[in-house]
Amino acid sequence: AQRVTQPEKLLSVFKGAPVELKCNYSYSGSPELFWYVQYSRQRLQLLLRHISRESIKGFTADLNKGETSFHLKKPFAQEEDSAMYYCALIANQAGTALIFGKGTTLSVSS
Amino acid sequence: DARVTQTPRDKVTEMGQEVTMRCQPILGHNTVFWYRQTMMQGLELLAYFRNRAPLDDSGMPKDRFSAEMPDATLATLKIQPSEPRDSAVYFCASGLDNQPQHFGDGTRLSIL
Repeated sequence: AQRVTQPEKLLSVFKGAPVELKCNYSYSGSPELFWYVQYSRQRLQLLLRHISRESIKGFTADLNKGETSFHLKKPFAQEEDSAMYYCALIANQAGTALIFGKGTTLSVSS
Repeated sequence: DARVTQTPRDKVTEMGQEVTMRCQPILGHNTVFWYRQTMMQGLELLAYFRNRAPLDDSGMPKDRFSAEMPDATLATLKIQPSEPRDSAVYFCASGLDNQPQHFGDGTRLSIL
């Protein structure tokens, strides 16, 4: 069965500290992985897509197939990064639904 | 900047009442998804459509929930009768084949 696990419900860091939001998945095929971000009371927005291999707002995420992980990282956290972060996967079929983890709230304080 | 539009933004009603939530997907998108967000469960898929045909509604309580796409520009999610446990934020998202989904602002539903 397809599953996304985000083990931390809350991650609190100080401004300037490194951030790593963990995400593990289970899927027998080749999934496509995403990170979505939700700022307070706003819509979910796509942050990163693994096939893009890009950095958005200083965040990066590398797909590690051996460890079935897709952790989100940022070297220096900023207060405006405070939000809920969701890891999600799509099974390798066009147009199928996202399977989300339960999300991690990132709180960055000064 | 094309957006998924959801109405209403907020809805408060009494238990037993019918609730209808509407979603206008981005023009040209051929997939539409309904998700429910709660503190306890996070984001759960309720139903989704491809080319207006329902593909999966296994996450939806069938006795009270129904999802339809009367045309390509409108998707609806209905709850009848509503119950307090239905209180949540309901998100609609649309996409094009395997491109990333775009989410609406959500409908914040409170059932008293």
